[in-house]
Amino acid sequence: GQQLNQSPQSMFIQEGEDVSMNCTSSSIFNTWLWYKQDPGEGPVLLIALYKAGELTSNGRLTAQFGITRKDSFLNISASIPSDVGIYFCAGQPSGSARQLTFGSGTQLTVLP
Amino acid sequence: DTEVTQTPKHLVMGMTNKKSLKCEQHMGHRAMYWYKQKAKKPPELMFVYSYEKLSINESVPSRFSPECPNSSLLNLHLHALQPEDSALYLCASSPMVGRYNEQFFGPGTRLTVL
Repeated sequence: GQQLNQSPQSMFIQEGEDVSMNCTSSSIFNTWLWYKQDPGEGPVLLIALYKAGELTSNGRLTAQFGITRKDSFLNISASIPSDVGIYFCAGQPSGSARQLTFGSGTQLTVLP
Repeated sequence: DTEVTQTPKHLVMGMTNKKSLKCEQHMGHRAMYWYKQKAKKPPELMFVYSYEKLSINESVPSRFSPECPNSSLLNLHLHALQPEDSALYLCASSPMVGRYNEQFFGPGTRLTVL
């Protein structure tokens, strides 16, 4: 099946710092999604991207759909304690409607 | 209403029990999903229902039996589970057209099999 490489696996940052994480694939994706999951809860959709080169913001979060359609990144600016959680990228491979491939996740810890 | 609800939140069952997980959404979505998630891992797709019909079964063992009684409800019937089936079971829904890849997840059912 499709593989998504998500990095970094974990991050420890100081409150107020900016954060960047990314996902790459060996094949083309039609859609990129970014989710955040808190412990014991389901993933929450943060941003959805549909076009190569698309740059979309949601508050302090900014995500981009890579030009090659094989990668995406998520930036969080001015991190706060409630940003703690696991961030997953997910993508819809070309030809696989409604089947998302998930990255392995980035565990974010924000230190006060 | 933009929520997907799941009941129960926690479930403990023995290997000989029969139980069911329930999921409900009122967003008018006609695609619904079951995922299994182990700790610190991404969700793994189990089943997809499109217009109340099973469209994808990711080679899931028959001890898991999904059911979609109507466009708002999704059930997962459990029977003769194994301890390795203990996990967080997530339900999700999405539109069938337009932004159809945007899957909205419920809070999950934490299942423990003894």
